Amino acid sequence: DADVTQTPRNRITKTGKRIMLECSQTKGHDRMYWYRQDPGLGLQLIYYSFDVKDINKGEISDGYSVSRQAQAKFSLSLESAIPNQTALYFCATSDLGAGDTQYFGPGTRLTVL
Amino acid sequence: LAKTTQPISMDSYEGQEVNITCSHNNIATNDYITWYQQFPSQGPRFIIQGYKTKVTNEVASLFIPADRKSSTLSLPRVSLSDTAVYYCLVGDPTPNSGTYKYIFGTGTRLKVLA
Repeated sequence: DADVTQTPRNRITKTGKRIMLECSQTKGHDRMYWYRQDPGLGLQLIYYSFDVKDINKGEISDGYSVSRQAQAKFSLSLESAIPNQTALYFCATSDLGAGDTQYFGPGTRLTVL
Repeated sequence: LAKTTQPISMDSYEGQEVNITCSHNNIATNDYITWYQQFPSQGPRFIIQGYKTKVTNEVASLFIPADRKSSTLSLPRVSLSDTAVYYCLVGDPTPNSGTYKYIFGTGTRLKVLA
């Protein structure tokens, strides 16, 4: 969905580096999510936020942190990247008033060497 | 959380109707059933959502029996471009749902053959 943007789209980094992935949306949705997808597998929820003051851990939050800077912005940080965090990362938004269906960004492909 | 079970993969030929069934035996009263489609290296895209009986939109139909313990996504006359992974999710989209309830799982990998 073009209304959900992610930066960067691709990133290669080294073990131990701090990395931030950013997500912005123009859909006006309150809810935002970060997912991780490993090759051939489904999506795993890392963190989610139902409004600016709300942050919740998902299935696999260890090694990650998030910040909800505004309704439209939700960033994901890897404090000290490790190789098994190499994956495709997706941001998504949803509107509870519209069936809570999720709209996904284009993804960020992260490689940790 | 309502656990869902779907076939890992399916093959079909162009022009055929494809039905993908999802089992969700512990679905709760307020839960809706939502299906997403994902192409390689892209984020999932919403296809259809329903609560009971039948829902139809321009791309698919969703059949939900009275006991709601399963649902079937129906794709009419598939084409090669329908090759993708299809996810069935069950969760409560109502305003009182205070926690996240959706699990994507591994989905069903549909391959459409010429």
